[in-house]
Amino acid sequence: KNEVEQSPQNLTAQEGEFITINCSYSVGISALHWLQQHPGGGIVSLFMLSSGKKKHGRLIATINIQEKHSSLHITASHPRDSAVYICAVEEYGNKLVFGAGTILRVKS
Amino acid sequence: NAGVTQTPKFQVLKTGQSMTLQCAQDMNHEYMSWYRQDPGMGLRLIHYSVGAGITDQGEVPNGYNVSRSTTEDFPLRLLSAAPSQTSVYFCASSYYGSQETQYFGPGTRLLVL
Repeated sequence: KNEVEQSPQNLTAQEGEFITINCSYSVGISALHWLQQHPGGGIVSLFMLSSGKKKHGRLIATINIQEKHSSLHITASHPRDSAVYICAVEEYGNKLVFGAGTILRVKS
Repeated sequence: NAGVTQTPKFQVLKTGQSMTLQCAQDMNHEYMSWYRQDPGMGLRLIHYSVGAGITDQGEVPNGYNVSRSTTEDFPLRLLSAAPSQTSVYFCASSYYGSQETQYFGPGTRLLVL
């Protein structure tokens, strides 16, 4: 079983919809990272969480340490949000273990 | 700041050839790492370094070598390329320690024939 599981693997939404991507992990962690990868592009860090909730613009990330679960929400989705969203957990030091990613497509 | 840079962007190799993927960062980060990304799989750690002169193996180190002679540079060497090494390679850097944002390079797409 993978240490980091993301769901769904693929997601298609209409512009304006509220989107949720889930991440579950099986190990103790010091932090959880959400990353974004655009088609053919590099990878950028969106959030790093060790507890609670963070918000940046239309993006919200939450984490429940006891349940070993995190969610990434996108409010009022837009076609430019189309990308791969990657969850990664930090077990110790700087080393990350990555989920397989969620491919999001937002249609106009 | 240029951030994390990688060269080349794309490379085609024949089986058995060797090559070096370059990675450099200008943020004075102690921690640098190499990942490979394959379809349907998460990024996997190849090698990492916590400072100049210090390197260690990650999850999939076989067939790759690294060195860290300076804080800025962390090259990845393929000793004898194999088709199984066809992948997209990302270099990343961060300050050393827990809960540090990692910065990724643009990636190198490698095709081994």
